[in-house]
Amino acid sequence: EPEVTQTPSHQVTQMGQEVILRCVPISNHLYFYWYRQILGQKVEFLVSFYNNEISEKSEIFDDQFSVERPDGSNFTLKIRSTKLEDSAMYFCASKTSGRFDTQYFGPGTRLTVL
Amino acid sequence: SQQGEEDPQALSIQEGENATMNCSYKTSINNLQWYRQNSGRGLVHLILIRSNEREKHSGRLRVTLDTSKKSSSLLITASRAADTASYFCGDTSGTYKYIFGTGTRLKVLA
Repeated sequence: EPEVTQTPSHQVTQMGQEVILRCVPISNHLYFYWYRQILGQKVEFLVSFYNNEISEKSEIFDDQFSVERPDGSNFTLKIRSTKLEDSAMYFCASKTSGRFDTQYFGPGTRLTVL
Repeated sequence: SQQGEEDPQALSIQEGENATMNCSYKTSINNLQWYRQNSGRGLVHLILIRSNEREKHSGRLRVTLDTSKKSSSLLITASRAADTASYFCGDTSGTYKYIFGTGTRLKVLA
């Protein structure tokens, strides 16, 4: 069964550094999402992406975040200058354009900012 | 946006017992999904029930849906230690964002 993949599984970075988290959505999916989960807290929506542009973003998704679909398969989340509070699990999700389809989530990338 | 709220927040049972958790939502749905999240891991899609269905089975899982009450329940029969996880519900099929509730934290004791 097709699945969403994410790399790396764990990323450790120094505060102030830029990180890029990568996702490969399911191949025929058209909607893409990023969520994050700080340890012990809820899964929080960050951004949704469709037709090569952001369709919705949360208040968390400020100017230090950006998303890109650089080619036909990857979907990336960039954090320009990481802060300690960016430490979290980041989940990518994708879905088709079908009305009855659900979002399928990747396994997540654990980001640790030191 | 759509949001699910799960109840109870925490549930502890013995292995072999059945676990029932409930879900409520506010806006109309196309369908309803249940997800599982093991500690520190990703969200795994368990089962989907369409808005015109009332009950669905998948292995040890049984889901019911009452659209008039905007509620759903997930029953896990003959629970196992490996079922220990958090369980979330909701409709992620819209193009809008999905807001997760706090989930039900199920602990199955061996």
